Amino acid sequence: SQQGEEDPQALSIQEGENATMNCSYKTSINNLQWYRQNSGRGLVHLILIRSNEREKHSGRLRVTLDTSKKSSSLLITASRAADTASYFCATNDKYNTDKLIFGTGTRLQVFP
Amino acid sequence: DTEVTQTPKHLVMGMTNKKSLKCEQHMGHRAMYWYKQKAKKPPELMFVYSYEKLSINESVPSRFSPECPNSSLLNLHLHALQPEDSALYLCASSQDRQGVNSNQPQHFGDGTRLSIL
Repeated sequence: SQQGEEDPQALSIQEGENATMNCSYKTSINNLQWYRQNSGRGLVHLILIRSNEREKHSGRLRVTLDTSKKSSSLLITASRAADTASYFCATNDKYNTDKLIFGTGTRLQVFP
Repeated sequence: DTEVTQTPKHLVMGMTNKKSLKCEQHMGHRAMYWYKQKAKKPPELMFVYSYEKLSINESVPSRFSPECPNSSLLNLHLHALQPEDSALYLCASSQDRQGVNSNQPQHFGDGTRLSIL
């Protein structure tokens, strides 16, 4: 399977704490994207990092990419109860570029 | 609120029924996608349309039949589905298909939750 792996599968933290989730993938990529999915809703795009970038920030989000290790991490700082959701990484395969391949996802629970 | 609208939100159907899922976007996007998502799993790509033409079919069974009547609409016709087809069906769109411009996000609707009895 080309599917990426994410860890942890589930993460529970208190409001105000930071949340870090990791993504590993298998192929050469053009970019890696992170999406959030609230329960019963569609996916919302959070951030895209290109293969020639190492780090990117957007508000409370920080994404890193290590193409030599085929891995990425998403850090959410100062988490809020509203951040409770599932988070998926998705890669755009360099050689099969029409497809986004999603990771297995991390379920984040932020307690108030 | 999402910019991709899917109807209906919920659908319950028998294995002999014929129904259709609808998806609409007015962002001028030229690529549209159908995904299937089982509980606690990531979305799995089913079909990709680019400029109203089918560009990818991920070996989806013929009981799922996609249709793109125009650049804003995408349908998924369902016939003789099986209980294992129960899932959340997500529609997405992007400015171009990923192969033309990979550095773009996909915009998702909230999905249709499908239950097969």
